[in-house]
Order: sequence, then C-alpha cells, then structure tokens
Amino acid sequence: GESVGLHLPTLSVQEGDNSIINCAYSNSASDYFIWYKQESGKGPQFIIDIRSNMDKRQGQRVTVLLNKTVKHLSLQIAATQPGDSAVYFCAENMDNAGNMLTFGGGTRLMVKP
Amino acid sequence: DAGVTQSPTHLIKTRGQQVTLRCSPISGHKSVSWYQQVLGQGPQFIFQYYEKEERGRGNFPDRFSARQFPNYSSELNVNALLLGDSALYLCASSFSGMGEKLFFGSGTQLSVL
Repeated sequence: GESVGLHLPTLSVQEGDNSIINCAYSNSASDYFIWYKQESGKGPQFIIDIRSNMDKRQGQRVTVLLNKTVKHLSLQIAATQPGDSAVYFCAENMDNAGNMLTFGGGTRLMVKP
Repeated sequence: DAGVTQSPTHLIKTRGQQVTLRCSPISGHKSVSWYQQVLGQGPQFIFQYYEKEERGRGNFPDRFSARQFPNYSSELNVNALLLGDSALYLCASSFSGMGEKLFFGSGTQLSVL
C-alpha cells in the first residue's frame, strides 16, 4: 500500500447502506492482512484479519475479501452506522517479518444520518 | 484489563532536543512495536522488541533508539529532534510478536517547534 499523502480518499455513505473500502497491497510475499479503524485522537483499532490461505473471512457486520492474484483487499461493512465514521487502514505482514506491518494510506469513511 | 498505555499523551519540544516516550503493553504480551504516524498517512514501522531483544527495525535514522525492560514495557528515544519528527508515535503490543494482530495504544502526539 502506498501512502496517498495528506488528501485521504473519502467514501461517503448513507446510514444503513453497505460500505466497501478497497486496498491495493504492495508485496506479493505478504501472507497476513489486517484492517484497522482509526478515530480522531485515537490509535488504530483492530477490525478483522485474514491469512493468505483464505480469500474471505467474516466478522460481526464486517467481511474481508482477499484477491492475491491482483494483490487486492477489501473491507465490507454491512448496515453502516454513524459510529463507523473513521479512517480505515489496511496493513500487510510478511512471514518471518515479525510484527512489521506495512500500512496503506487509508480511506476516510463518512456516514450520513 | 488495561489496553496498551502510552505516556505522555502530548509533548512539545524544540529542534535539537531529545525526547523519551513510554509504553506499557497489554498484560501477558511480550512484544512491543513502535510506529510513527504523520498527519494524513498510515503508520510507519520503527522498531519491534520481543523479550528485550530487537527483532526488527524500520527505515529510520540512528537518532531513533528503543529498548524493552524486563516487565516488557518499552521506551522510544529520539535525539537531535527535527521539525519532520512531528508526528503521532504509536506503540503496539502482541503476545508472540510473529504475524499476529497488534493492539495499539492511543499514541503520543509530538510537536517539534
């Protein structure tokens, strides 16, 4: 994931709609992926993770899809709520790289009531 | 149980000064990682420590150093501060430090004037 600098891409959705946030990761050797949510003034909060031997994983209201062929990750949030408004980051980790996560540039999700 | 705690929450320094940031991991976690987050970007890996040993280092100058104590808490030191060191410094902990989800603290906001 490349940093996109100061101007974060923004996704604006209506409350109750589904949201899809996309991420292109950079290293084909990465085998572990995480989505984090970051609210203003707080640290990143773990949402869901997936390993490279899977292509889909579901949590509560969230689903992560992994397409290793095109190095693409997506986060789907069902029935988006105002509390989901935040910046979302994908992060990748290579085997034998300890906890060295490489973060993407982030997407700002704005939920309209 | 308390999450990852960092201190101080905010800090203002002038160029050339030195700073020490502190982190206490989640109880039972043996690995601590440090990340730098510049406004509008994703976090960037600085260091990882596991059982008091450095396990990984990111692309940061030697002005950055860290250590981990027997109780698994950690300190990040930055010498000869530059304006560009202004950022949110995040600490994250995990149990084994190998390809698993990280739990982040709320960070220390460092401003260098």
